[in-house]
Amino acid sequence: AQSVTQPDIHITVSEGASLELRCNYSYGATPYLFWYVQSPGQGLQLLLKYFSGDTLVQGIKGFEAEFKRSQSSFNLRKPSVHWSDAAEYFCAVGSTGFQKLVFGTGTRLLVSP
Amino acid sequence: GAGVSQSPSNKVTEKGKDVELRCDPISGHTALYWYRQSLGQGLEFLIYFQGNSAPDKSGLPSDRFSAERTGGSVSTLTIQRTQQEDSAVYLCASSGGAGRSTDTQYFGPGTRLTVL
Repeated sequence: AQSVTQPDIHITVSEGASLELRCNYSYGATPYLFWYVQSPGQGLQLLLKYFSGDTLVQGIKGFEAEFKRSQSSFNLRKPSVHWSDAAEYFCAVGSTGFQKLVFGTGTRLLVSP
Repeated sequence: GAGVSQSPSNKVTEKGKDVELRCDPISGHTALYWYRQSLGQGLEFLIYFQGNSAPDKSGLPSDRFSAERTGGSVSTLTIQRTQQEDSAVYLCASSGGAGRSTDTQYFGPGTRLTVL
């Protein structure tokens, strides 16, 4: 069965500092990987997704993620965090034949001045 | 519409009552999903619709939960005899393809259900 682990429940980063949010997945075949962001009172917004090809994926709002098959990871990065990036971030995995997404438990990002 | 809408945004009910949660997907989207977001548990898949049929109901936690979709558009999630453990945010998503795993799912703002 597919599963996603986000080991960090909370992360605090200073504004302007770099960010990396960790995501590890478990699935035997080629996964489809997604990062979503949820701001308070808002629905989930897709940041980026990976299906195949270049393992470094660019997304919206200056985010990027790198797929590393050997580590079963799909970490999200941003070189310089803005206060507006404070939100909860979810990693998710899907695969061929399965329409549903399996989500991690999320990482709440706090941005300090 | 411009996005996925859900109603009500908040629902408080007493244990044992039935509730209905509504989802209006993006116009023209054929695939519709319901997820549940419980505190500290991430998002849990409940059910997937393609058109009016539900080929995957594997996430519905008990027979108190049911969902339907009419006209290939609006969907209603019904919870009968609500229990306190049903308290959660219920999220709906839609996608424009034939439910392919690569289709982007667009989420609504959710309905926060509180069972007293």
